[in-house]
Amino acid sequence: GAGVSQSPRYKVAKRGQDVALRCDPISGHVSLFWYQQALGQGPEFLTYFQNEAQLDKSGLPSDRFFAERPEGSVSTLKIQRTQQEDSAVYLCASSPRRTGETQYFGPGTRLLVL
Amino acid sequence: GENVEQHPSTLSVQEGDSAVIKCTYSDSASNYFPWYKQELGKGPQLIIDIRSNVGEKKDQRIAVTLNKTAKHFSLHITETQPEDSAVYFCAARNILTGGGNKLTFGTGTQLKVEL
Repeated sequence: GAGVSQSPRYKVAKRGQDVALRCDPISGHVSLFWYQQALGQGPEFLTYFQNEAQLDKSGLPSDRFFAERPEGSVSTLKIQRTQQEDSAVYLCASSPRRTGETQYFGPGTRLLVL
Repeated sequence: GENVEQHPSTLSVQEGDSAVIKCTYSDSASNYFPWYKQELGKGPQLIIDIRSNVGEKKDQRIAVTLNKTAKHFSLHITETQPEDSAVYFCAARNILTGGGNKLTFGTGTQLKVEL
């Protein structure tokens, strides 16, 4: 079956520009996570949704980062007024479990801010 | 918060040899430990996981062991093949105060299997 998909795969933004990253989780998965992965590092947690409810956003680096999942399926991570330090791979993962076990990751969106 | 340390950062083995990657965690409340394989340009792929009520789990050439007392867990790959070459991440699950949960990842191990 289809896995987690993310779009765009690559995004180049000028500093100060707003960007929107999309995640299509596996159908029926209740849990959705966003992670940020810097070059040569492990993924770092950003935020977590259970269905449409955002249960935790403690990992979002600043108030320029905003995520939503209005209908409990597709999710969008928005970054306003991008800065160079926002350059990273943004990974989305979904899980069929409310406990967050068995997370399946998408291919990621590589964001480069110039 | 949780801290996961992973060693070694790079590992080179000959084809057919075994590879072992070790991780330690700090939060004694962590109770789920997955391992992911990440190939260049791709997202992490879940390869095996273990829960805290189990000491060892095997899946063909891959095994994971967990020592809750010492708060460390290890990935063992036997009969390594060139296609095992990738970056491997360990992770520990933490329960968040809002009722959710997250994975805290180690820093990764670059495994290279040489012919």
